[in-house]
Amino acid sequence: EVQLVESGGGLIQPGGSLRLSCAASGFTVSSNYMSWVRQAPGKGLEWVSVIYSGGSTYYADSVKGRFTISRDNSKNTLYLQMNSLRAEDTAVYYCARVFEGVYFDYWGQGTLVTVSS
Amino acid sequence: QSALTQPASVSGSPGQSITISCTGTSSDVGGYNYVSWYQQHPGKAPKLMIYDVSNRPSGVSNRFSGSKSGNTASLTISGLQAEDEADYYCSSYTSSSSYVFGTGTKVTVL
Repeated sequence: EVQLVESGGGLIQPGGSLRLSCAASGFTVSSNYMSWVRQAPGKGLEWVSVIYSGGSTYYADSVKGRFTISRDNSKNTLYLQMNSLRAEDTAVYYCARVFEGVYFDYWGQGTLVTVSS
Repeated sequence: QSALTQPASVSGSPGQSITISCTGTSSDVGGYNYVSWYQQHPGKAPKLMIYDVSNRPSGVSNRFSGSKSGNTASLTISGLQAEDEADYYCSSYTSSSSYVFGTGTKVTVL
């Protein structure tokens, strides 16, 4: 059974850093495209970043230069390093598998990041 | 990358059919047959309902169907049921090797 479990969210001050984790089971992270998608409170879904099976990475303009997506193949885990956090980064962050590189077929339950002083 | 445009809300009575539109550009919806649709109930993670414009994953009711014409994709829910009340989002792969979601549509079953 495919499962994605996010962790690492919490309350952080503006300008701070946080690393989110997404532990996968039932499939191999490194053989798939993996993505982060966020949802601000009461708002819609926003794509954040993707890492290809070959290792290439892409980011939304809103997080480029501040966020870094990575993976640990030995732990079958996806990460999102978030630096220089802003109030507008407050959201539930979901990890998702990107099947065939074009659609999100499995999602985690999400982890809440709150950026506030 | 601007969000794809969806109506804020759509409503219908049980048993009726409703259609949700999703308008993008030739760089996303119009340029690829890679439109997908997601259902999200309050407090839950999104669920894939349609992929590659019109394909249904295993386990998704055949009451859900998708189509596309030019830069606009559509999701139709036929035989509307109370359990279909949720938020719906479209998504597309883009020419920038990125992804874009729609603004979201709240479906209300009257």
